[in-house]
Amino acid sequence: TQLLEQSPQFLSIQEGENLTVYCNSSSVFSSLQWYRQEPGEGPVLLVTVVTGGEVKKLKRLTFQFGDARKDSSLHITAAQTGDTGLYLCAGDSDNFNKFYFGSGTKLNVKP
Amino acid sequence: NAGVMQNPRHLVRRRGQEARLRCSPMKGHSHVYWYRQLPEEGLKFMVYLQKENIIDESGMPKERFSAEFPKEGPSILRIQQVVRGDSAAYFCASSPRGGNSPLHFGNGTRLTVT
Repeated sequence: TQLLEQSPQFLSIQEGENLTVYCNSSSVFSSLQWYRQEPGEGPVLLVTVVTGGEVKKLKRLTFQFGDARKDSSLHITAAQTGDTGLYLCAGDSDNFNKFYFGSGTKLNVKP
Repeated sequence: NAGVMQNPRHLVRRRGQEARLRCSPMKGHSHVYWYRQLPEEGLKFMVYLQKENIIDESGMPKERFSAEFPKEGPSILRIQQVVRGDSAAYFCASSPRGGNSPLHFGNGTRLTVT
C-alpha cells in the first residue's frame, strides 16, 4: 500500500487569503491527481500531474509535482467562498489498477 | 452527456439484510472502480472491474462483499448480511482506458445500517 499524507487536515481562512495544502508520500508515483469534493457529492478532478517538477495552473489554483514525484502541493491565491470543500490527492498504484487517496484537507473559506 | 449514475443515493438496511448498490458508468467507459469513504476521511479502494472481469479486488473484504460488471447493465456492489460497520458512502468511478487516466465519480450511495 502506498500511503499519501495530506496536511493540514483542516484549514479555515478568510476570503482573499492565500493558502497551500500538501500531499506527501515515501513512495514514487508515475502520476498524481487532485480532486475537490463537496458535501453529498463525488470528487471532481481538478488536475493530473505526471512529470517531476511540473507546475500546472488552473485560474487561481497552482499545482506542483515534486522533483522526485513523491509529493505535491496545491496553492490557492485569493481564496473565494466557492473554494470551500475537501481537497483530495490521489496517486496511482504500481500496477495502475487503482489510485491511493489521501485523507484530504477540509478547506473552509469564510466571507 | 450523462455522468456516472449511482443509485440509490441513500439506502437504509437493518443488520443482517443485503445491500445492493448500482453504478452505470459514463457512456463509452468500460472501466469501473468502487471506493468507500467514511466521514471526514479519504476514499479507500475496493475493487476494479472491466466488462465481465474483476481486475483487482485487493481492497474488498474477503467475506460478504462481492462486485460484478456484466456485459449488459450496471455494475453492482453487493454486501450480504450487513453490519453497522458497513455504514459509509460508497462511490463508483469510471474511466475510458484504465491505467492512470482520470476517474469520473458518481455522487455515491450512502448506506446506513441500523
